[in-house]
Amino acid sequence: NAGVTQTPKFQVLKTGQSMTLQCAQDMNHNSMYWYRQDPGMGLRLIYYSASEGTTDKGEVPNGYNVSRLNKREFSLRLESAAPSQTSVYFCASLSRVQSSYNEQFFGPGTRLTVL
Amino acid sequence: RKEVEQDPGPFNVPEGATVAFNCTYSNSASQSFFWYRQDCRKEPKLLMSVYSSGNEDGRFTAQLNRASQYISLLIRDSKLSDSATYLCVVNEGAGGGNKLTFGTGTQLKVEL
Repeated sequence: NAGVTQTPKFQVLKTGQSMTLQCAQDMNHNSMYWYRQDPGMGLRLIYYSASEGTTDKGEVPNGYNVSRLNKREFSLRLESAAPSQTSVYFCASLSRVQSSYNEQFFGPGTRLTVL
Repeated sequence: RKEVEQDPGPFNVPEGATVAFNCTYSNSASQSFFWYRQDCRKEPKLLMSVYSSGNEDGRFTAQLNRASQYISLLIRDSKLSDSATYLCVVNEGAGGGNKLTFGTGTQLKVEL
């Protein structure tokens, strides 16, 4: 199992450009998440998908859109990139179980710089 | 006030030392609690869950005090390989989409 994979690993954009960050998991997990991590801020939730066909906003959704393409894939789109979106982006997935004591598995991250 | 607060450190300790990290959370309805470990420029990985009765995994002991909304992690006999950032994490529960709230992390450096 590859676990959670993300592409690309690195990206440099100019202000106003658009791009899509891809995430896929092969663990048959129901829930998927997108976070950004900035120095001194910790990880913050951008959007999540509790199950296939649903998406919800997290703490910092402005400037982003998401698509849960199927159970495996959850993409994050920046329509018009801004320097404030320079960050490290992590995708994560979680199996749907009754207990809240379940582990989120993270992808290796995408390092995005917006000039 | 941040939802999950941690001392950012860094904690610089000699090999073999015992070190303790503390964390407080603001949402009294939080359902579950974790410590994640994050190495430099890597993704976070689960270190251990934190249960109300306290739990131990080798050199690591985690404790939870729901009344005080306080979580701790104790590392005994520190190893060089323990150097990392330790993230205190709180889960709102299945009803809230299992959203995790992260502290900003406490950096640990174990030295010879």
